[in-house]
Amino acid sequence: DAGITQSPRHKVTETGTPVTLRCHQTENHRYMYWYRQDPGHGLRLIHYSYGVKDTDKGEVSDGYSVSRSKTEDFLLTLESATSSQTSVYFCAISESGGDGYTFGSGTRLTVV
Amino acid sequence: GQSLEQPSEVTAVEGAIVQINCTYQTSGFYGLSWYQQHDGGAPTFLSYNALDGLEETGRFSSFLSRSDSYGYLLLQELQMKDSASYFCAVRFSGGYNKLIFGAGTRLAVHP
Repeated sequence: DAGITQSPRHKVTETGTPVTLRCHQTENHRYMYWYRQDPGHGLRLIHYSYGVKDTDKGEVSDGYSVSRSKTEDFLLTLESATSSQTSVYFCAISESGGDGYTFGSGTRLTVV
Repeated sequence: GQSLEQPSEVTAVEGAIVQINCTYQTSGFYGLSWYQQHDGGAPTFLSYNALDGLEETGRFSSFLSRSDSYGYLLLQELQMKDSASYFCAVRFSGGYNKLIFGAGTRLAVHP
């Protein structure tokens, strides 16, 4: 009954290859976010979306792009993966201010 | 810019009370949230304070002082299952309900 799912859950890729992570929600929430989590840094915002085709950069957006062609899907693309992008990636959704985020289960990405 | 400070680790025993502090610097502050994350899991929402004062939800309470740019999470009657990382997060002006997270506090509860 998860309202938000991420795929894949795990991925190993080679440096220089493109990678796309998918976030899918069934809650019809307006806002969607991509965060990365690294030891000692907590969660850092990569990109976010406030509607279909409406996206903007977060605090660590270099090397990443996003797309949201439907309310339910938010894609994160690493155009050319680097080892510094090895991380756990979380997608989150929210409906309005003050509401807590609901996070997906995360994608563990390893770039070798 | 925005920044948050919270202790990296806290240790406590079962049944005790622990307080995790969070100080922040941000322009256009809207509110302070708390999230819990168990190892290998996703963060889960605990509480949100937009106004000064204490909010209580069962064994957990959260406090905010806007004038001091300070908040805390209070966990009472600690249980082993409370061992987790706890993150404070600031919602700031600029819209879109964006959150900036602190680096997290790892709580270890011992018997």
